Amino acid sequence: GDSVTQMEGPVTLSEEAFLTINCTYTATGYPSLFWYVQYPGEGLQLLLKATKADDKGSNKGFEATYRKETTSFHLEKGSVQVSDSAVYFCALSINQFYFGTGTSLTVIP
Amino acid sequence: DAGVIQSPRHEVTEMGQEVTLRCKPISGHDYLFWYRQTMMRGLELLIYFNNNVPIDDSGMPEDRFSAKMPNASFSTLKIQPSEPRDSAVYFCASSFLGGNEQFFGPGTRLTVL
Repeated sequence: GDSVTQMEGPVTLSEEAFLTINCTYTATGYPSLFWYVQYPGEGLQLLLKATKADDKGSNKGFEATYRKETTSFHLEKGSVQVSDSAVYFCALSINQFYFGTGTSLTVIP
Repeated sequence: DAGVIQSPRHEVTEMGQEVTLRCKPISGHDYLFWYRQTMMRGLELLIYFNNNVPIDDSGMPEDRFSAKMPNASFSTLKIQPSEPRDSAVYFCASSFLGGNEQFFGPGTRLTVL
């Protein structure tokens, strides 16, 4: 069935380090792909999305490219900040939404 | 728009009591979702509605849980009787069309003693 698999956490990085959180998907058809972020004590909020192959979603310095050939949508940021500490969820949508298990990121000064 | 509104934000109750969680979706959205989040199980979809009609309740853990959507602007999730293992954060989310971005509320943190 349709699903997403994302990198296990937790991830701890120093400020200004490069971030990659891996996400791969399985889908019948052509899904839309999303990254959501959940800050402590809050609900999930959309970070970025891509709706077709080779699209790149970007927001707040984060990027992810929809790779159909590798069925991936990895999240990247060139220089993380302490304020990026949160849980990140990969998700796909094809008639229904499927969320990954979440990856906790802690950025230390 | 105020976004998805949930109440209460925190609920502490004793085992065996009835708990009712409330949600007001974003105006114009036709899908409403209830999720539960715990450290052990992560984010779980409990039930979702389309145009006020329950479409899939396969995630509802047992008969103690029930959800209603009497109109387009209000939904409830009820647990009766509550048990300590129901302690979790419960999120409501809404979207326009099923596959579009979901907008989440701030959640209700439920503690059952």
